This record gives sequence, C-alpha cells and structure tokens, in this order.
Amino acid sequence: EPEVTQTPSHQVTQMGQEVILRCVPISNHLYFYWYRQILGQKVEFLVSFYNNEISEKSEIFDDQFSVERPDGSNFTLKIRSTKLEDSAMYFCASSEVGGNTEAFFGQGTRLTVV
Amino acid sequence: QQQVKQSPQSLIVQKGGISIINCAYENTAFDYFPWYQQFPGKGPALLIAIRPDVSEKKEGRFTISFNKSAKQFSLHIMDSQPGDSATYFCAASMAGAGKSTFGDGTTLTVKP
Repeated sequence: EPEVTQTPSHQVTQMGQEVILRCVPISNHLYFYWYRQILGQKVEFLVSFYNNEISEKSEIFDDQFSVERPDGSNFTLKIRSTKLEDSAMYFCASSEVGGNTEAFFGQGTRLTVV
Repeated sequence: QQQVKQSPQSLIVQKGGISIINCAYENTAFDYFPWYQQFPGKGPALLIAIRPDVSEKKEGRFTISFNKSAKQFSLHIMDSQPGDSATYFCAASMAGAGKSTFGDGTTLTVKP
C-alpha cells in the first residue's frame, strides 16, 4: 500500500539552528500538507501546497517557516531559526485532490529543540 | 467559525461495550468529516469518513452518525476491543480548501 514517508523520525536541534524536515508524498498525489502536534494536543494545520506554491497557511506558519518541493518526489519543511516552542511532532500529509477527500499522513518527525 | 469541538476528552469503556465520541462544527461550508485514529508515536490514520448527504455510514464496527441541522457528528465503536485503545480525532474540511481542521482528540481506553 502506498504511504507517505518522513525523515528523520527524530531530530534534536539547538535553539536558533535551522532544521529541514523531509517528506516523500504518495506519488500520484497533487496536494501536500504539513501539520504539527505539540505533545498531548491536537493536530494543527501549518501549510498546504499545490502546483508548486503555497495554497494556504495558518498563523503558525510565520516567516521562520518555508516549504519546498525541490524535485518530483520530495516535499520539505524548513524552520529557519528554531525556538523551544517549535518542539512538536510534525506530520506531512498528501491527497489526490484538495479539500473534501482523504489525506494520508506520514509517521511524523519528532522535533526536539534544546 | 473554523473550530471543531470534540468531546469527551477521555473515555474508558469495558471490552465489548460501545464507545461514543461526539463532535460539533460551526462552518456550514465543511463538507467532509473524517475520523482519524492515532496510536502513540504514529501519524493519524483515516478510520472512516462521511459527507453531509448521508446521515449514517457504517464500516465494520465503526459507525458515523451525522446530523446536518445540528451541525454534529459522532463516532460509534461497537464491541470495543483493547486494540481500539488509541486517540481519536474528528476533523472537517471543505472542497477547494486543502486543510483539515481537527478536534482536540479523545483518548479511548478499552479495559479487558
């Protein structure tokens, strides 16, 4: 069964450092998303990406965040200067079409900022 | 208006019992309502989903009941099993907009 894969599974970084979280969405999917989940809390939308551009972003997704699809398979989330409060699980998801259809989630990257 | 409210926060059910989790939404533009199951350290996995043109959808032991006029929907897990112990999230999305808006989650514990 096709799946969304994320790397690394766990990333520890020092405050102020840049991190790049990587995702390989399902190959025929056209919509890509990043969500985050602070420990014990709900899943929060960060950004959606379609046709090589951001289609929507939340207020969490400020100037320190960026996304990129550098080639035909990878989808990355960059956090430019990490803060302690960026510590969370980050989930990548993809869907065939946007909106009212199933989104498939990856296993997540646990980001710990120390 | 984008919120999805979920209750209860936690639920303990005996094996074989019925688990019921409720969600309510405000935005009538939402037209897709999935339920996700999440095990510790894993990503959310789609369990079952419903669109507002039907009032109920059943897949095995899992049933979604949908009340469009009340803007509420619920997940029923029949014959609950210890393996169902997980966190359940309701969500809502709309055509054209990519994102899903999640409820706060319900931690279900099924006791043997």
